[in-house]
Amino acid sequence: DAKTTQPTSMDCAEGRAANLPCNHSTISGNEYVYWYRQIHSQGPQYIIHGLKNNETNEMASLIITEDRKSSTLILPHATLRDTAVYYCIVISGNQGGKLIFGQGTELSVKP
Amino acid sequence: NAGVTQTPKFQVLKTGQSMTLQCAQDMNHNSMYWYRQDPGMGLRLIYYSASEGTTDKGEVPNGYNVSRLNKREFSLRLESAAPSQTSVYFCASSERGDIKPQHFGDGTRLSIL
Repeated sequence: DAKTTQPTSMDCAEGRAANLPCNHSTISGNEYVYWYRQIHSQGPQYIIHGLKNNETNEMASLIITEDRKSSTLILPHATLRDTAVYYCIVISGNQGGKLIFGQGTELSVKP
Repeated sequence: NAGVTQTPKFQVLKTGQSMTLQCAQDMNHNSMYWYRQDPGMGLRLIYYSASEGTTDKGEVPNGYNVSRLNKREFSLRLESAAPSQTSVYFCASSERGDIKPQHFGDGTRLSIL
């Protein structure tokens, strides 16, 4: 069973920030939060991950609450090419890398 | 930058036929994975190989076999295809099987009639 809860769908205006929430209230101390996205018909693409500190890379920022029970993926300036399904996944180092994908959030970026 | 390459991209089979899906990665990764994705659903893990010479079952292994041929290649075999195995199959690799990000191929779209 997926350990995360995400909204089914979200809209965002092109050029605005897209904020995608994820609830992971049962996360344990050694579990990381990962975000992947899947653009239609393509393989999933890794975006970012974190343990407890906020993280930023060239694609996005990840904000993790202090109690680690939820997080938010931020795409700072969404473009039409960011339209995709976004998956939030929690995983620990002793799970052999076995990702469990939930339903994800379908983000539609509109002109 | 090839990354993870899957062949074929599309295939149509008849019920009962056999088929091997090929996957190769050029990133010198230790771990490799096979997932399937049914319409409107997230990916589900079929089998994985933490390192060369080892393979383990994932969430939905029934009806499939795998071979980790060498460090680069990880194949998935359907011995007797069934309509329920119609799906999109994705191969992935990661530096090692813990928290390292996985890199995915573009998928094989398999239809079984």
